[in-house]
Amino acid sequence: GIQVEQSPPDLILQEGANSTLRCNFSDSVNNLQWFHQNPWGQLINLFYIPSGTKQNGRLSATTVATERYSLLYISSSQTTDSGVYFCAVEQGYNTDKLIFGTGTRLQVFP
Amino acid sequence: DAGVTQSPTHLIKTRGQQVTLRCSPKSGHDTVSWYQQALGQGPQFIFQYYEEEERQRGNFPDRFSGHQFPNYSSELNVNALLLGDSALYLCASSPAGEAETQYFGPGTRLLVL
Repeated sequence: GIQVEQSPPDLILQEGANSTLRCNFSDSVNNLQWFHQNPWGQLINLFYIPSGTKQNGRLSATTVATERYSLLYISSSQTTDSGVYFCAVEQGYNTDKLIFGTGTRLQVFP
Repeated sequence: DAGVTQSPTHLIKTRGQQVTLRCSPKSGHDTVSWYQQALGQGPQFIFQYYEEEERQRGNFPDRFSGHQFPNYSSELNVNALLLGDSALYLCASSPAGEAETQYFGPGTRLLVL
């Protein structure tokens, strides 16, 4: 099956720093999403981005589908950005089945 | 709109017991998916229900079963619990064919002793 790998596995930042999280996937996909899981376990959908670039405030994401990777940029990080970031992909069309990556654990300190 | 709700929030069981977890989807959503998230790992797809039928299934044994009711709410049942079933169980709902609008519930933390 498809492999979804994320890097780095852990990231420690001071408030105000910028960071880039990477997601590599081993096969073509129809859907790619980025999620943030807060310390209480709640998964929040950040971006639906099968290709191209999107921005939402301090966060932006880019997916290069032909090269099978996606990047999540976090600028001017805040302590509330702490948690685990997952990318998830969907193979096939309208399957609604998401395959999650290995995650990047981000800790932002004041 | 309450979003996706799950109950209970926490549960402790012993090996060999059976457990039922419940999920109410977001209003307007008719597809419910269940995921298991072991500690330190990403969520893994268990199965999905649409129109009260299991639409697809991940790589989980038959001890894991489910049900969807006419009001789209869903249950996940796990029989003969093993220590390795300890995990966060997440429910997600979406309109059919719109995984990009999938909303996740807060999860149920299951501990098997």
